[in-house]
Amino acid sequence: QKEVEQDPGPLSVPEGAIVSLNCTYSNSAFQYFMWYRQYSRKGPELLMYTYSSGNKEDGRFTAQVDKSSKYISLFIRDSQPSDSATYLCAMSGGAGGTSYGKLTFGQGTILTVHP
Amino acid sequence: AAGVIQSPRHLIKEKRETATLKCYPIPRHDTVYWYQQGPGQDPQFLISFYEKMQSDKGSIPDRFSAQQFSDYHSELNMSSLELGDSALYFCASSLGPSLPSYEQYFGPGTRLTVT
Repeated sequence: QKEVEQDPGPLSVPEGAIVSLNCTYSNSAFQYFMWYRQYSRKGPELLMYTYSSGNKEDGRFTAQVDKSSKYISLFIRDSQPSDSATYLCAMSGGAGGTSYGKLTFGQGTILTVHP
Repeated sequence: AAGVIQSPRHLIKEKRETATLKCYPIPRHDTVYWYQQGPGQDPQFLISFYEKMQSDKGSIPDRFSAQQFSDYHSELNMSSLELGDSALYFCASSLGPSLPSYEQYFGPGTRLTVT
């Protein structure tokens, strides 16, 4: 079983919809939680990160972490066709541990926002 | 802003040949990570370096080796190439583990095709 499981999708939504992307994880050592966006044949682009439990908002994007449930989410409001991409959740044990920040990724969710 | 540079962007090799992939991190970043992403797969951590020393090791085959040089660029050397090594290879960089290393910035990747 993978340490990080992500709803694989694919998701297809109309422009303006609210999108919810989710990941669960099993490793309690994860402290930093990130969402990356990846366009076809490009490198992952960091969208948001959160440390431990809580919410973080950045424009149309909101990231939520619930460590008690080992569950993280990314919400996209007022979705746009330019949001169409693969979204990857990623997690890290962070500084001070033995991992030195190596990321463990979910499988990715392909999102298509159609006009 | 300067980004992570990877070269070459595309590489075609035959089985049993060797390949060298290069990564130039963002200026002032002292930590480099290598990831392998197979078709339709999530990126898998291979190896990382901090201040020219190996800091962590993932699922990197013994046929692969890597190092970080005094100017912080890194090279991934791959020998006895196999068909299964065909993948996108990403390099990411960040500030060292003295700070939380959640902000890993990815390069555009090198697409390796082994025939």
